[in-house]
Amino acid sequence: DADVTQTPRNRITKTGKRIMLECSQTKGHDRMYWYRQDPGLGLRLIYYSFDVKDINKGEISDGYSVSRQAQAKFSLSLESAIPNQTALYFCATSSLGYEQYFGPGTRLTVT
Amino acid sequence: GESVGLHLPTLSVQEGDNSIINCAYSNSASDYFIWYKQESGKGPQFIIDIRSNMDKRQGQRVTVLLNKTVKHLSLQIAATQPGDSAVYFCAENGPGGFKTIFGAGTRLFVKA
Repeated sequence: DADVTQTPRNRITKTGKRIMLECSQTKGHDRMYWYRQDPGLGLRLIYYSFDVKDINKGEISDGYSVSRQAQAKFSLSLESAIPNQTALYFCATSSLGYEQYFGPGTRLTVT
Repeated sequence: GESVGLHLPTLSVQEGDNSIINCAYSNSASDYFIWYKQESGKGPQFIIDIRSNMDKRQGQRVTVLLNKTVKHLSLQIAATQPGDSAVYFCAENGPGGFKTIFGAGTRLFVKA
């Protein structure tokens, strides 16, 4: 089974709708991350969490919120989706000082 | 500002040749560097890493070189194979691992 899973894998939604993307990991890591990927811009950090009680904004947190429900679960919400949030979203997990393990991604389209 | 950049957005190599992918970073305090490979439709996967107290590290067919003087990182792939075709990202971690910055990526094409 995959170490990091994301649901849904694909989602098409309309402007103004609330969307939640979910992430689960079986690595036992404390650190979890949400990234957005747009063509030509690499990965940009939305939010990160170093443990269950720790939530931090990344470089592009506006329009997004997160919830760390447990060590293994970290969800990303778009409270009111807009078209420029159309992108590929990745969840990742890591231990301190080591590489990140990424999920397979969620392709979100906002029409 | 802090940034990790790549010199070339695309690289095309002949199968069997060696590939070199370059990356520049601007934060001299970064102490941990990672290369990731992203295949189409998948999330990035770890390839190799290097800490700032080293200047070279080798893996299976891959070598990472770190030049702290000019803040440059490179990934060398020996005997490039079709399965190496992907986008490659470099990433840097600041001290304490509090922040990871990813480069924009280089797309590697391997010609048969």
